[in-house]
Amino acid sequence: AQRVTQPEKLLSVFKGAPVELKCNYSYSGSPELFWYVQYSRQRLQLLLRHISRESIKGFTADLNKGETSFHLKKPFAQEEDSAMYYCALGTGNQFYFGTGTSLTVIP
Amino acid sequence: GAGVSQTPSNKVTEKGKYVELRCDPISGHTALYWYRQSLGQGPEFLIYFQGTGAADDSGLPNDRFFAVRPEGSVSTLKIQRTERGDSAVYLCASSKRQGAWANTGELFFGEGSRLTVL
Repeated sequence: AQRVTQPEKLLSVFKGAPVELKCNYSYSGSPELFWYVQYSRQRLQLLLRHISRESIKGFTADLNKGETSFHLKKPFAQEEDSAMYYCALGTGNQFYFGTGTSLTVIP
Repeated sequence: GAGVSQTPSNKVTEKGKYVELRCDPISGHTALYWYRQSLGQGPEFLIYFQGTGAADDSGLPNDRFFAVRPEGSVSTLKIQRTERGDSAVYLCASSKRQGAWANTGELFFGEGSRLTVL
């Protein structure tokens, strides 16, 4: 069965510190992985997708098929990064979301 | 409109009542998804439409839940005989399908309909 695991419900870091949000997935096929973000009082929106291999707002994520992981990283956290982050797995018709990690960046 | 629109934004109902939640996707988006998000959880897949047909309804929890998209645009999620456990935020998302790689398309979410069953 397909599953997305985000082990940390809450994560706090100081401004300027590195941040890593963990995501592990379980899927027998070829995965499509995404990170979605929800800022306070805004709707859920796409942050980045693994096939694009891009950096968005300083965030990057590398798909590691051996470890079945897609961790989200940023070298220097900013206060505006405080939000809810969801890892998502795309398969055929469905997107499976993790339970989310609430990131707080402390000034 | 510019984005996915969902109505009502809030709905309070009594146990046993019937509820309809509406989603108006982005114009031209053929794929439409319904998700349910309970407190402290991620969005849980309910149903996916490609055009007018439900391509995958495996996420609907039971036969009290039903969704339609008769003209391939607006969709309505219908919940019969509501129960307290149905209380959640119901999210709608639309996507422009990209050939065979449907899931390389970005999901655009609405703001959700918060359902409270008393």
